[in-house]
Amino acid sequence: QVHLVQSGGGVVQPGRSLRLSCVASGYTFSINGMHWVRQAPGKGLEWVAAIWHDGSKRYYTDSVKGRFTISRDDSQNTLYLQMNGLRVEDTAVYYCARDPQHSFDVWGQGTVVTVSS
Amino acid sequence: DVVMTQSPLSLPVTLGQPASISCRSSQSLVYSDGNTYLSWFQQRPGQSPRRLIYKVSNRDSGVPDRFSGSGSGTDFTLKISRVEAEDVGVYFCMQATHWPPYTFGQGTKLEIK
Repeated sequence: QVHLVQSGGGVVQPGRSLRLSCVASGYTFSINGMHWVRQAPGKGLEWVAAIWHDGSKRYYTDSVKGRFTISRDDSQNTLYLQMNGLRVEDTAVYYCARDPQHSFDVWGQGTVVTVSS
Repeated sequence: DVVMTQSPLSLPVTLGQPASISCRSSQSLVYSDGNTYLSWFQQRPGQSPRRLIYKVSNRDSGVPDRFSGSGSGTDFTLKISRVEAEDVGVYFCMQATHWPPYTFGQGTKLEIK
């Protein structure tokens, strides 16, 4: 069975950094693209970043460009989101999701990121 | 960016009755390969999103057949033939044709009357 297990959230002050992790199991991690999606408190879903199956291409929503970096380590079946220069408006539950082809078919359990002074 | 507009945003339904959610995109979602990459997700209270439907009308494994998706171009619909208590939650549509960014509808909150 396919699982995505997330870790790495927490409470940080504005301007600080956090790294989120998402460990995949139950399938061959290297064959699929991966995404990060976030959900601010009481709000809808917002796509954050994507990485190709081979790591060759990465894409970001405009509000995180230059601050967040998506990466993957296929030897560890792990997806990462390095978040630098965090802002109050980055406060959200962050989900990782698998992309089999133009969709998000499996989601992680979510990890809470709170940016507050 | 493609704007996804859902309606209604709140949907009170009596148990056993049908429900319908509309999702409209600001431009056609037909991709260059001929496919239309419109998905529907269910998010139960306190849970992660779960995909129900992909490519407009393909139901995911394990999704009850009371859920169905339809539509084309810019107009799409998710229908529940007979609402059950476990269907309570928020439903989102998402387009993956014109990216980045991938964009979601605002969400429709389904509740039992």
